[in-house]
Amino acid sequence: AQKITQTQPGMFVQEKEAVTLDCTYDTSDPSYGLFWYKQPSSGEMIFLIYQGSYDQQNATEGRYSLNFQKARKSANLVISASQLGDSAMYFCAMRVLNSGNTPLVFGKGTRLSVIA
Amino acid sequence: DAMVIQNPRYQVTQFGKPVTLSCSQTLNHNVMYWYQQKSSQAPKLLFHYYDKDFNNEADTPDNFQSRRPNTSFCFLDIRSPGLGDAAMYLCATSRVSGGMETQYFGPGTRLLVL
Repeated sequence: AQKITQTQPGMFVQEKEAVTLDCTYDTSDPSYGLFWYKQPSSGEMIFLIYQGSYDQQNATEGRYSLNFQKARKSANLVISASQLGDSAMYFCAMRVLNSGNTPLVFGKGTRLSVIA
Repeated sequence: DAMVIQNPRYQVTQFGKPVTLSCSQTLNHNVMYWYQQKSSQAPKLLFHYYDKDFNNEADTPDNFQSRRPNTSFCFLDIRSPGLGDAAMYLCATSRVSGGMETQYFGPGTRLLVL
């Protein structure tokens, strides 16, 4: 079974600073994908970034980057130059790729608050 | 250019009164999902449709049903809502084509049960 662990229930960051949100995962499958989603107070889950288990390079999308350390089974999200609009709940999720359509497994989330 | 649309955004129902939540998508994705998310928790998968094939999670209560009349639409029916069913209900879609695919979520429907 797959498991995602997010150990930080809440984080604070100063506007314009960088912040790292932790995520560790557990799976015995060699082929999997890791995802980060942002959920503002409005409720919509917004896809941010994806990292495949066989990707050689860390994924980046604008101000978001994923610090993928396969041996440690960690997939931390780094947000650079934080903005007030980054205040939201952030979920790390994973899905294994095998036969059939396996579900997306979510962590419990980290609430990020950006302060001016 | 909304891609996954959920209606209504807020739904109030009475204890025991059936309610239907709807989801539509313009992405032509072959998989549609329904999640339940309670306050301060991660989304919990209820079921999903892979094309027309319905897949129920083992712990999804019988009170929850779903219909997918065509590729674009999917409905969540709660036959007899209880107070514990008050939650955010999220619809998501993805295109499964052999590789890893990303799920795209709608804005959610917040259900209140009185």
